[in-house]
Amino acid sequence: GAGVSQSPRYKVAKRGQDVALRCDPISGHVSLFWYQQALGQGPEFLTYFQNEAQLDKSGLPSDRFFAERPEGSVSTLKIQRTQQEDSAVYLCASSLGGWGTRNTGELFFGEGSRLTVL
Amino acid sequence: GIQVEQSPPDLILQEGANSTLRCNFSDSVNNLQWFHQNPWGQLINLFYIPSGTKQNGRLSATTVATERYSLLYISSSQTTDSGVYFCAACRSNDYKLSFGAGTTVTVRA
Repeated sequence: GAGVSQSPRYKVAKRGQDVALRCDPISGHVSLFWYQQALGQGPEFLTYFQNEAQLDKSGLPSDRFFAERPEGSVSTLKIQRTQQEDSAVYLCASSLGGWGTRNTGELFFGEGSRLTVL
Repeated sequence: GIQVEQSPPDLILQEGANSTLRCNFSDSVNNLQWFHQNPWGQLINLFYIPSGTKQNGRLSATTVATERYSLLYISSSQTTDSGVYFCAACRSNDYKLSFGAGTTVTVRA
């Protein structure tokens, strides 16, 4: 597509529910990133995919967070048994280059998925 | 990871004024980007500028990689320039961008 697309834009979950957030990156982009942005703060790195391989998941806050990109394009971030502290905006970004090239190149972000856990 | 510091944290401008936002980073970089976060939360790309100078309309940016800082210039500010400006940098031999805390710009008519 023309840009990075994320869905849903807004999600309200009851504490303990599972949620799934979808990211459709720019077509042909090798790298895909997930970031978490709390209110009033800058985005924080969660995880990185190069094609279908998850090369870095060091930023995932707990084992309740899981991400996948099975065919190297669309990615899903899943949060199990949501807690109130999971409330944030989840941002997806993609870039043309991959790790191992000089750099991954310019990152383009989607509009984000705003999660509110009650 | 790389440390990114932005200043000032807040900036209030009268419409038509010029301003400079600063970004300091702690290590050599292979990527540096400036973003404007719009009221709906989307990060809009302003500049991809690991080194050198670029201009786009009323905005320009300069990165002095050897001295580990970047500057974003806003000239003849307009109310639509209001919002949060983020600098993000990626350390050489790394792949993930680390963000500063942002500068909140308010332009008054």
